[in-house]
Amino acid sequence: QKEVEQNSGPLSVPEGAIASLNCTYSDRGSQSFFWYRQYSGKSPELIMFIYSNGDKEDGRFTAQLNKASQYVSLLIRDSQPSDSATYLCAAVSGSARQLTFGSGTQLTVLP
Amino acid sequence: GAVVSQHPSRVICKSGTSVKIECRSLDFQATTMFWYRQFPKQSLMLMATSNEGSKATYEQGVEKDKFLINHASLTLSTLTVTSAHPEDSSFYICSLPDRGDNEKLLFGSGTQLSVL
Repeated sequence: QKEVEQNSGPLSVPEGAIASLNCTYSDRGSQSFFWYRQYSGKSPELIMFIYSNGDKEDGRFTAQLNKASQYVSLLIRDSQPSDSATYLCAAVSGSARQLTFGSGTQLTVLP
Repeated sequence: GAVVSQHPSRVICKSGTSVKIECRSLDFQATTMFWYRQFPKQSLMLMATSNEGSKATYEQGVEKDKFLINHASLTLSTLTVTSAHPEDSSFYICSLPDRGDNEKLLFGSGTQLSVL
């Protein structure tokens, strides 16, 4: 079983809509969760991190964490074509506190 | 500007040759750097942890004699892919903890390696 799982997509949403990206993790001991954005051929960039249950908002981005369900999500409001990228979910797990990445969800925002 | 500098961005080489990739921390010293590999449409897989002044720690299944890591200074780590083969073709990315926070990573721009 993969430690961090994401729907690979592709996910397409129209410009201005809300994009919802989901992620589940297997290590119940994981405490820290991250969302990275990766444009094609580029390296990932951190856009959000969340440690506590509930919602965390930063501009158009909202991260949601539900530790009981082992579920993390990222909402992008007012989606823009420039948001089109692959979004990687990552969790810190294990005794070595390593960052484990999901395989990413490809998002396309249609103008 | 970039905090992590990685070079080269793209390498095309013949099978059997060796390729060196450099990763530099520009803004602060980094005792630890991480090397990842990413195949198309797959996740980032940690290959090894580079430790300044000591041997690198390799993940299970990664050949340490094939992927040589040197972290000779607090700002530079190098990954050398020795005797490269077509199956080594991948996107290699270095990263380092943001000012010592191992959970928040800063990534280099990546190196696309193509072995013919």
